[in-house]
Amino acid sequence: SQQGEEDPQALSIQEGENATMNCSYKTSINNLQWYRQNSGRGLVHLILIRSNEREKHSGRLRVTLDTSKKSSSLLITASRAADTASYFCATARAETSGSRLTFGEGTQLTVNP
Amino acid sequence: DGGITQSPKYLFRKEGQNVTLSCEQNLNHDAMYWYRQDPGQGLRLIYYSQIVNDFQKGDIAEGYSVSREKKESFPLTVTSAQKNPTAFYLCASSTPSGSIKQYFGPGTRLTVT
Repeated sequence: SQQGEEDPQALSIQEGENATMNCSYKTSINNLQWYRQNSGRGLVHLILIRSNEREKHSGRLRVTLDTSKKSSSLLITASRAADTASYFCATARAETSGSRLTFGEGTQLTVNP
Repeated sequence: DGGITQSPKYLFRKEGQNVTLSCEQNLNHDAMYWYRQDPGQGLRLIYYSQIVNDFQKGDIAEGYSVSREKKESFPLTVTSAQKNPTAFYLCASSTPSGSIKQYFGPGTRLTVT
């Protein structure tokens, strides 16, 4: 079953607007991470939020985590054309040993100049 | 992409041939991973290794093989048994504990005809 599922699949906004992406998961987690992927490139880690945290900030990024609803959101404020990319959530499950992450299918964000 | 190299960036093979994708890291990370990404989709774990001379199957290991003889290197062989090998392959590494943030290489796009 899909552990991380992002919503929406695609999002198109104007420069300067905020972008919100959501991620839902099914099992207990140790932490949840967000990654960014520019077209045809590798993924870049953006931010990690642990299961005992509810909100975290990094620059223009704000991540929230609701473990009771098994969901997370990524907010990008004051978006720029350079933010155009795919964004993936990834979960580190609580019941597995080692260092596996399970990735969702991503949200394709387009920021129009 | 820093610290992890994948070569080549593009690879073309005829059906029925085995092909080996290279992944090298200089981050002194113990854990390494191979993912497959199909167009418009998320990452699926093929194999991972938490320490030299040890590796585990991921979710889609059939038709693939790996070795981990050196800490820095984790090559992936796509065998002729893999029914649909055309895809984008991503290698990553991480420390085996703690935050398990993963660092990704730039990827290899494999086309089999």
